[in-house]
Amino acid sequence: DTEVTQTPKHLVMGMTNKKSLKCEQHMGHRAMYWYKQKAKKPPELMFVYSYEKLSINESVPSRFSPECPNSSLLNLHLHALQPEDSALYLCASSQGSGQGIEETQYFGPGTRLLVL
Amino acid sequence: GIQVEQSPPDLILQEGANSTLRCNFSDSVNNLQWFHQNPWGQLINLFYIPSGTKQNGRLSATTVATERYSLLYISSSQTTDSGVYFCAVESQAGTALIFGKGTTLSVSS
Repeated sequence: DTEVTQTPKHLVMGMTNKKSLKCEQHMGHRAMYWYKQKAKKPPELMFVYSYEKLSINESVPSRFSPECPNSSLLNLHLHALQPEDSALYLCASSQGSGQGIEETQYFGPGTRLLVL
Repeated sequence: GIQVEQSPPDLILQEGANSTLRCNFSDSVNNLQWFHQNPWGQLINLFYIPSGTKQNGRLSATTVATERYSLLYISSSQTTDSGVYFCAVESQAGTALIFGKGTTLSVSS
């Protein structure tokens, strides 16, 4: 099974709302990622978790708050977003062993977020 | 940081035609992946190929790591091959994938 699941598929929120995106994998992977993709652009890395610890934050605004409650689950908490934050949010996972073995990243289907 | 350039940016084919997509990168890599993003946004793994050659059905890929490029070959294209093809690399010094801008492929019947 090489599946990464994401919920919800679509989300519309106002600028004062608080919402969360959820990502789950059951491949035993120890690295999980959040990417943001604007229309007609490539995905851009936001955060990397390695062994449930935040290892990379690509200077993402604090209105995005990641959380990794356990090795299978990754959340992205959203608060006071702006309309320009509207995008496709993609979650990915990989082995994360860092020992030179194949580190294929597997992506979820994404959450399409619209901020009004 | 590492730079990734893909060419061509757009490609229009008739069903049954063959095509070659190219990915150039500016530094040595630990990881190179080719993805197909379908119209619904799903990124589908095609190949993990930091070096060498792989084949999967009508698709094959070759990475020449010493010359810092990778090629994706699509043979006998079908309309379902339409979408955006991304090359993504992780440098030997880095810890995450950096994506090229993609090649948008349109296959018509």
